[in-house]
Amino acid sequence: DGGITQSPKYLFRKEGQNVTLSCEQNLNHDAMYWYRQDPGQGLRLIYYSQIVNDFQKGDIAEGYSVSREKKESFPLTVTSAQKNPTAFYLCASSVQTGWARAGISYNEQFFGPGTRLTVL
Amino acid sequence: EDQVTQSPEALRLQEGESSSLNCSYTVSGLRGLFWYRQDPGKGPEFLFTLYSAGEEKEKERLKATLTKKESFLHITAPKPEDSATYLCAVRYNQAGTALIFGKGTTLSVSS
Repeated sequence: DGGITQSPKYLFRKEGQNVTLSCEQNLNHDAMYWYRQDPGQGLRLIYYSQIVNDFQKGDIAEGYSVSREKKESFPLTVTSAQKNPTAFYLCASSVQTGWARAGISYNEQFFGPGTRLTVL
Repeated sequence: EDQVTQSPEALRLQEGESSSLNCSYTVSGLRGLFWYRQDPGKGPEFLFTLYSAGEEKEKERLKATLTKKESFLHITAPKPEDSATYLCAVRYNQAGTALIFGKGTTLSVSS
């Protein structure tokens, strides 16, 4: 079955530690995204990638890093510079539907099951 | 100022009691409005995409509509299994590929 997987489901981080969250998709989607979800707030975009070896910062990229070496994979590293990392992290992907003159068109995003990160 | 506002924040319904959730947006150049359902501790599940005013989409007891400044998610004769948080998101010209999410409406349906 096609889908998006995230691991681990739960992750605990000690102060000063870097941790990496995994996101894999077998949907053959071009674009991948990382969001952070906090209680009472909407999803906020951390990073996104439209193509392999390229990625862009979202609204809250400080303290995070990503890589896109393969189309299927988009890991997120939460560095020690992120002062408040406790949150629910969601990975998503979407298919690109063409190179219209007005710009690239992307369809709806499909989400993985999420990783809950807690700082000890 | 929030670009996407959902109301109410929480809604309690009796089974069979129909109602509507609202998503209003202030962005210009809308390139899609998306509805998702999210169960506690899980990732959002895609429901609908709407692209232009007047468009409607239906799925079982849910119907989504779109005007120039807002969208409604109508829930007809809800069941307890419809209990979830419903998220609205928009994509517009200056956002590029990214989605801007509202904070969601948490729906509770009791039998």
